[in-house]
Amino acid sequence: NAGVTQTPKFQVLKTGQSMTLQCAQDMNHNSMYWYRQDPGMGLRLIYYSASEGTTDKGEVPNGYNVSRLNKREFSLRLESAAPSQTSVYFCASSENTKNIQYFGAGTRLSVL
Amino acid sequence: AQKITQTQPGMFVQEKEAVTLDCTYDTSDQSYGLFWYKQPSSGEMIFLIYQGSYDEQNATEGRYSLNFQKARKSANLVISASQLGDSAMYFCAMRIDGRDDKIIFGKGTRLHILP
Repeated sequence: NAGVTQTPKFQVLKTGQSMTLQCAQDMNHNSMYWYRQDPGMGLRLIYYSASEGTTDKGEVPNGYNVSRLNKREFSLRLESAAPSQTSVYFCASSENTKNIQYFGAGTRLSVL
Repeated sequence: AQKITQTQPGMFVQEKEAVTLDCTYDTSDQSYGLFWYKQPSSGEMIFLIYQGSYDEQNATEGRYSLNFQKARKSANLVISASQLGDSAMYFCAMRIDGRDDKIIFGKGTRLHILP
């Protein structure tokens, strides 16, 4: 009954450090997404992957890279973290009919 | 451009009363989908209900119903007989068909249920 699993749940970085947020889903979904959530801003799409082997930019891709490692896994990398990237990050996956998106529990990232 | 607007930043409602959370959307497309998600204080995003633009009946899921008025471009969430556990942030979202399965979210409404 795992659904979408994100790791880690919390992370504190110093400016300039790099890290990778991991996401895996066990629902056999083709599409996967990375969002960030900031106070008063709702969820904004960073990158998405409509199928294994493809990735595309969303609304706020600058400062991030992604890898769709296989159908299950979609990782988000911050190469050189900045304080503006302090946020809560959500991974989601969706089935292809109604595109109902199912979310992971989120990663709370602070960049000092 | 597509847009979702939730005009109520916060609402206070007495327990057991019905609640309507407003959502209006803007699109020139004919085929689209509308969603509501709940985010409790624990932070997870929980899917509540879905309405397709061609669905003739309003969607219902237990105590949740979606009041879909296509001509007015509104998709309000109605929660019947509210409970303390309904206190959360609620997000309206829209999928535009043919746009790589992306959806856009409104900024949310924070609902407080009072005992």
